[in-house]
Amino acid sequence: DADVTQTPRNRITKTGKRIMLECSQTKGHDRMYWYRQDPGLGLQLIYYSFDVKDINKGEISDGYSVSRQAQAKFSLSLESAIPNQTALYFCATSDAPGFNEQFFGPGTRLTVL
Amino acid sequence: QKEVEQNSGPLSVPEGAIASLNCTYSDRGSQSFFWYRQYSGKSPELIMSIYSNGDKEDGRFTAQLNKASQYVSLLIRDSQPSDSATYLCAVFTGGGNKLTFGTGTQLKVEL
Repeated sequence: DADVTQTPRNRITKTGKRIMLECSQTKGHDRMYWYRQDPGLGLQLIYYSFDVKDINKGEISDGYSVSRQAQAKFSLSLESAIPNQTALYFCATSDAPGFNEQFFGPGTRLTVL
Repeated sequence: QKEVEQNSGPLSVPEGAIASLNCTYSDRGSQSFFWYRQYSGKSPELIMSIYSNGDKEDGRFTAQLNKASQYVSLLIRDSQPSDSATYLCAVFTGGGNKLTFGTGTQLKVEL
């Protein structure tokens, strides 16, 4: 079984719709992250959470929100999707503070029309 | 200047050769360094981590770190077609408490 799972794996939606991407992990890690990846731009950090009560904005948080429902669950929402949010979205987890070896989920390919 | 820089490639090497992938970073306070492999359309997979100057070997992979030159590299010995992927360099800076990724180098191992 996968340690980090993401749902859905693929999603096509329309401009203005609200979308939620979900991430679950069985690794027992406290830290969870949401990234987006665009061709040629690498991975950009959207939000991160070091524990259930700790949520932090990343480099590109505008237009996104998150919820940490439990240690194992971290959801990303697009309140009103726009076409330039079309990208590959990854959830990641990490354990050891200070070293930050991160482990990635399989990704969600999101297309906003 | 980008915080983490990699040549985008593609880097083409023949099967069985050594592939050398390079990465430079701008923050001298960086503490931890990672190499991820990413196949097209898939998620990044951690393959090497290195925390102190010198070499670290794991199977066919060797990571090299030179903090004075702000340079980290990945050597892949006996390259195989299955090594064809994009390799992402990632650098952790404790002060900024973040992991910064380079844009990746595409490696092609040719038969």
